[in-house]
Amino acid sequence: EPEVTQTPSHQVTQMGQEVILRCVPISNHLYFYWYRQILGQKVEFLVSFYNNEISEKSEIFDDQFSVERPDGSNFTLKIRSTKLEDSAMYFCASNLVVQQFFGPGTRLTVL
Amino acid sequence: QKEVEQDPGPLSVPEGAIVSLNCTYSNSAFQYFMWYRQYSRKGPELLMYTYSSGNKEDGRFTAQVDKSSKYISLFIRDSQPSDSATYLCAMITGSNTGNQFYFGTGTSLTVIP
Repeated sequence: EPEVTQTPSHQVTQMGQEVILRCVPISNHLYFYWYRQILGQKVEFLVSFYNNEISEKSEIFDDQFSVERPDGSNFTLKIRSTKLEDSAMYFCASNLVVQQFFGPGTRLTVL
Repeated sequence: QKEVEQDPGPLSVPEGAIVSLNCTYSNSAFQYFMWYRQYSRKGPELLMYTYSSGNKEDGRFTAQVDKSSKYISLFIRDSQPSDSATYLCAMITGSNTGNQFYFGTGTSLTVIP
């Protein structure tokens, strides 16, 4: 069964450093998303991506964040200058129509 | 007012009980309603989705939507310890162009053997 994959599973970084989180969505899907979940809190929408451009973004998705689909398979989230409060699980998701499938997440720890 | 409200629980029930999980919402433009299950430190897993008002059944799970009351429910019959997880409701206004999915906070469920 096809699935969304994410790498790395855990990323530890120093405050102020840049990180890139990687995702491989399900191959025939058209819509791609990034979500964040701070430990013990709700899943928060960051951004959606369709047809090689951002469709929607939340107020969390400020100038330090960017997304890219550099080739036909990968979908990346870049955080330019990480802050302590960026520590969270980051989930990638994709869908063709309504059914949205999530990856296993990348745990980002900012020290 | 939050777009989607969900009682975070925690909810603890004995094995075999019927569980009722609920969400309310404020945006009448929501058309699609989803229930996800999330095990600890894992990504959400889609259980069911519905489009219109009414009931949809899948095995031990029944999703119910009442658009007039802006209220959705997930019922779990004959609950099992393996159902212990956090259950998230989510909804979107449409199915095109990467609409934002709005999630509830999740309800933590424990089924006690």
